[in-house]
Parts: sequence; C-alpha cells; structure tokens
Amino acid sequence: AQKVTQAQTEISVVEKEDVTLDCVYETRDTTYYLFWYKQPPSGELVFLIRRNSFDEQNEISGRYSWNFQKSTSSFNFTITASQVVDSAVYFCALLSGNTGKLIFGQGTTLQVKP
Amino acid sequence: DAGVIQSPRHEVTEMGQEVTLRCKPISGHDYLFWYRQTMMRGLELLIYFNNNVPIDDSGMPEDRFSAKMPNASFSTLKIQPSEPRDSAVYFCASSYAPGQTTNTGELFFGEGSRLTVL
Repeated sequence: AQKVTQAQTEISVVEKEDVTLDCVYETRDTTYYLFWYKQPPSGELVFLIRRNSFDEQNEISGRYSWNFQKSTSSFNFTITASQVVDSAVYFCALLSGNTGKLIFGQGTTLQVKP
Repeated sequence: DAGVIQSPRHEVTEMGQEVTLRCKPISGHDYLFWYRQTMMRGLELLIYFNNNVPIDDSGMPEDRFSAKMPNASFSTLKIQPSEPRDSAVYFCASSYAPGQTTNTGELFFGEGSRLTVL
C-alpha cells in the first residue's frame, strides 16, 4: 500500500527563521515519484517539485531546498529565511510505479509571522 | 493553454438535490483525477481516468457518487442525492502519463468547485 505521512499538522515560525517540513512515504514499488505542492490561502494547488526514485540528489531552488533520502523513506522540504508569503498549507505526495495515482499526505499548515 | 477548467466554482444546494461538477482537462493529457478536500480528511483521491477509462474508483465514498469521462476533453462528477457531509472543495486535475521524460510529471489542478449542501 502507498502512504504519505506528514506528522507536523501545524508549524508557526517568525519571519526569517528556517523551517523544515517533514514527509515520510511508504511504497513497495521501486519506481515512484515524490512531489511537493503548496496551497496558499486563495486555495489553488501550486506544484513545487517532483523527484523520481532513482534520483536522490538534493535540490535547491532559491530559498527552497529538498532532501530526499531513500534509506529513511523521507522527502523533507526546507524553507530558508521564511517570509510571510510562505504561509500556506504544504502537501507532500507520492505517485507509485506507473499507476498514475497520486496520493497526498495530510498537509502541514505553515504560518510565518512578521 | 487555458489550464484545467472546472465549473461551477461555487455551488450551494439543498440536501437531496443532484449536483453535477464539470471538468475540462488540459488538451493532450492522458490522466484525469477527481479529488475532494475537507478539513477532516484532507485531499482524497476519488477516482481517476486514463484515456477516458476509469482506472480506480476505490475512493468514491458511496453509490451516490458517480463520475464519467465521455471524451478526452470533458468529465463530470455527479452526486445524487447530495447530503450535507458532501460539502467540500472538489478538485479536478490532469497530467501526462507518469514516467514521461518530456515533462515534470506534475498534476495540473483546476481552481476547484466549492460545494455547500444545506
């Protein structure tokens, strides 16, 4: 069975702090894809990143970075120097094998205070 | 491209009424998904289609829910009869087949249809 766990329900930080959002996944497939999506207060779902199971290289995009570790089945997301505009719900998701079925975690609500 | 288009954006109806939500996926996408989002259950996958064929409807809550995709450019999610517990935001999304190297593999989401059943 496929499962995504985001243990942190809510996180609150003060602007300029670094924050890491945790994601742990379960799958028996050897080929899979991991995603992060952002849902701002306006409600739309915004794609942030995809990684495939064969590429464990970490990625950095501006203030965002992702740490993919197959050994611990984790795909964590770090925001450096957080800003108020980063306040949103962040979803980690798993797409396993060739099914095309994308399963989301419960989401982590991030509040960045000025 | 116009993106995934959903209608209506908001729907308020009374218990027992039939509700039909509509979705136009991005042209050329092979997959279409219907998700439901509530505070209690988060984002749940209801059903998804590949090339207009339903692949997995295990997430459909009960027989009151049905989904169709008569062609590659249109899908509907119907609730009949509706109940207050169906109140949620329903998202439609589309994508290319996973594993294709010509794209990032992301799902493209519509803006959602917010359903309120009184």
